[in-house]
Amino acid sequence: DVKVTQSSRYLVKRTGEKVFLECVQDMDHENMFWYRQDPGLGLRLIYFSYDVKMKEKGDIPEGYSVSREKKERFSLILESASTNQTSMYLCASTNPAGRSNTGELFFGEGSRLTVL
Amino acid sequence: DQQVKQNSPSLSVQEGRISILNCDYTNSMFDYFLWYKKYPAEGPTFLISISSIKDKNEDGRFTVFLNKSAKHLSLHIVPSQPGDSAVYFCAASYGAGGTSYGKLTFGQGTILTVHP
Repeated sequence: DVKVTQSSRYLVKRTGEKVFLECVQDMDHENMFWYRQDPGLGLRLIYFSYDVKMKEKGDIPEGYSVSREKKERFSLILESASTNQTSMYLCASTNPAGRSNTGELFFGEGSRLTVL
Repeated sequence: DQQVKQNSPSLSVQEGRISILNCDYTNSMFDYFLWYKKYPAEGPTFLISISSIKDKNEDGRFTVFLNKSAKHLSLHIVPSQPGDSAVYFCAASYGAGGTSYGKLTFGQGTILTVHP
């Protein structure tokens, strides 16, 4: 079974703290993604990576950075957490076209972050 | 600018009846559309997809219809079951090849409740 694992299901942090959200996939996928989900806004893309050490900004990258040192692991970093970053964070992975024909993303279970 | 819109935040249906979830998009470059289902405290899971070269795709109880001229797609669930109660997200992408594969733009989601 395919699996995307997010290290923390629930986190509570204080404003200004540095936050690391870790994601590991066991499907040897090349592309990995970080989304956040907010009520009324759906899922919005923060960053994605199509190869080790490669990254591209999504639609809402401000206040976030990412790291992809190994193919299976993609980390989201909040350098200085703020209350408006309270959200559900979802990691996903997939392979480029031709290898996974359905175009689907495989998602982790999500990390619920609360910033006080 | 919301490029993918689900204008109905919620939908309530009786068990056994048809559920119709709607989605509109504005970007004519989108060439691949997907529906995801999300239960509380879980990540979204892929449900069904359709390419822009088709106008219908069916998988068991789930059918997706695409009207390119209207930039509209819909998901039909027949018959609806209580286990279908979840949040449904519409998503779209373009440029299926290469590094952008899997970069999806999501709608806001529709909460479907199926009553026994």
